[in-house]
Amino acid sequence: DQQVKQNSPSLSVQEGRISILNCDYTNSMFDYFLWYKKYPAEGPTFLISISSIKDKNEDGRFTVFLNKSAKHLSLHIVPSQPGDSAVYFCAASAAGYGGSQGNLIFGKGTKLSVKP
Amino acid sequence: NAGVMQNPRHLVRRRGQEARLRCSPMKGHSHVYWYRQLPEEGLKFMVYLQKENIIDESGMPKERFSAEFPKEGPSILRIQQVVRGDSAAYFCASSPWTSGIGEQFFGPGTRLTVL
Repeated sequence: DQQVKQNSPSLSVQEGRISILNCDYTNSMFDYFLWYKKYPAEGPTFLISISSIKDKNEDGRFTVFLNKSAKHLSLHIVPSQPGDSAVYFCAASAAGYGGSQGNLIFGKGTKLSVKP
Repeated sequence: NAGVMQNPRHLVRRRGQEARLRCSPMKGHSHVYWYRQLPEEGLKFMVYLQKENIIDESGMPKERFSAEFPKEGPSILRIQQVVRGDSAAYFCASSPWTSGIGEQFFGPGTRLTVL
């Protein structure tokens, strides 16, 4: 039973255009969401996060949008660069409810390819 | 400021042997998490530890797996009598956050291969 779903295994985008990566979740107790980027043979690197009290968070070229009623979040990368090519993982936690103590629930990832 | 360190980076074991994976958190971080990634899958939570305490081990298999984070030294994930299905990438993460809300910083992982 997957609580965090990334339904697109891969995405290909032209350099300079917008990349939109999507993530859906089922557990309404999730109150904190994160995006990680991962290169082969390396650990995930934190990109950006959002608390459930917000609907948008922006950091440079990266913006995360949260739609709680739809249980959906998305990561926008503008403009996309070839160095952004990696696997992107969406993750969620229910730490505010004290149950999980902060462990993250990950989606399966979306492989982004940015073509020059 | 060194990041999360894991060693070894690659570990090969035969079925029935023991595997020991080590993780040194970032300086100042007292929370350590272990995750496992199977091929084509996301990372799956295994265990959350603080110094000398296991806080949450709900993701750990009931047998053969154990974890510790002693007062001195790295956190250790121990797998006894390994089987082929244990082959995976094992990632350690650390954080300074006491509430659990906030990013976790990941190490490069240990890739375990069971022959």
